[in-house]
This record gives sequence, structure tokens and C-alpha cells, in this order.
Amino acid sequence: DIQMTQSPSSLSASVGDRVTISCRTSQDISIYLAWYQQRPGKTPNLLIYAASTLQSGVPSRFNGSGSGTEFTLTISSLQPEDVATYYCQKYDSAPWTFGQGTKVTVK
Amino acid sequence: EVQLLESGGGLVQPGGSLRLSCEASGFAFRSYAMSWVRQAPGKGLEWVSAISSSSGTTYHADSVKGRFTISRDNSQNTLYLQMNGLRADDTAVYYCAKSLWFGDLPDASDIWGQGTMVTVSS
Repeated sequence: DIQMTQSPSSLSASVGDRVTISCRTSQDISIYLAWYQQRPGKTPNLLIYAASTLQSGVPSRFNGSGSGTEFTLTISSLQPEDVATYYCQKYDSAPWTFGQGTKVTVK
Repeated sequence: EVQLLESGGGLVQPGGSLRLSCEASGFAFRSYAMSWVRQAPGKGLEWVSAISSSSGTTYHADSVKGRFTISRDNSQNTLYLQMNGLRADDTAVYYCAKSLWFGDLPDASDIWGQGTMVTVSS
């Protein structure tokens, strides 16, 4: 199976900071990667699909990039409501594995 | 409104069985692949099972293969997860999730239910 490596596992940044989260896969998955946000006590919310396509209703400060084995989620200007755990997920084929998650907090 | 509503969770002894249900509304259920994803207390998301829109193909994580079975009834707009041989490490919130695009294959999930808690303990 393809392995997912998400980093860092946690980060703390100030409001307005640029935040970058990495997701790497052990094999080429083209652009079949999604990013989710899970706020504390809430269900996951789809942010990005096809590596870089913003889901409807998601603020434009969220940006996804990458293809093949290396992917990045960027929050251009961190807001208090962005406090959450972020997950990547591959969906090129079974199993539809998630990354380990990155917990984002505000300083 | 597009909605998924899970039910069937609860407390079960090790080795026991449970059947989870997920009732869908607000979209053409029969046209979308569906998935189950779980989250153990304080842990990350774990993909469990998926099923094609036509029920022709099912997929299961290695951790549940041979014990869990995903199925669907498109006439009832309902997704199921039959869980047998439950173990303590199956304790988690179980979410059903809808695939983003209509079609036979599962993909990213754009709609999630609120989840149902399964606790495996003696």
C-alpha cells in the first residue's frame, strides 16, 4: 500500500502568518489528493480536492499545490477560526488512506 | 439539504457484532459511491470501507477485512456497515461520507454525517 507522510504533526503560528503543511506519498498518485479541516469537536470538512481545486465555500486563503508524491496545503493568512487539525487523503485507488494529521493552533 | 444520518452505534463486548446504518437525503444517493471513516478517541481519521454506486464493488481496509462488510440499499437511500468480531481497537466514532462526484468509484468526500460512537469493552 502507498504510505502517507504528513508534516509537521503540529504547529503554532500567529494570526496573519502564512502556514504550510506537507503531505508526501510513497508512490505517484497524480493529483488524486484531498485536504480536510476538522475543527475541535466537529466533523471533517473538505477544503481542497484534485490537489489544488478549492471546494465551494472555502475561503480563498486556503491553497493546495503539488502532484505526484509531494503536496502542500497553504493558509496564506492564518485566522483564529482556522484552529483545527488538517488531514490529507489519497483517492487514486484503494485504500483511501489519510495522513496522520497536522494540528494548527494560534499563538 | 444534503444530509447523512448515522445510527446503530453503542456499547458491545469484544467479539460481538453491530450494524451501522447511514440514511441519506437531499441527493441522488444511488449515483454516488459512499465510504465509512472512523476516528478513535483523540486520534486521526482512518478510512474503513467504501462501496461503488452500483454496489458492484466493495473495498475494506486491511484492519477490518474479513470482519466488516459494507453494503447499501439504493431503494432505501441507506448505507450499512456490518461489523463482526469486534475488538477494543475498533472503538471509535464512525462517519459515513459521500463521494464528491457522481459515478461508480469512491473519491474525495464532500459530505459527512455527524458520526455514531462504537465502544467495544467488557
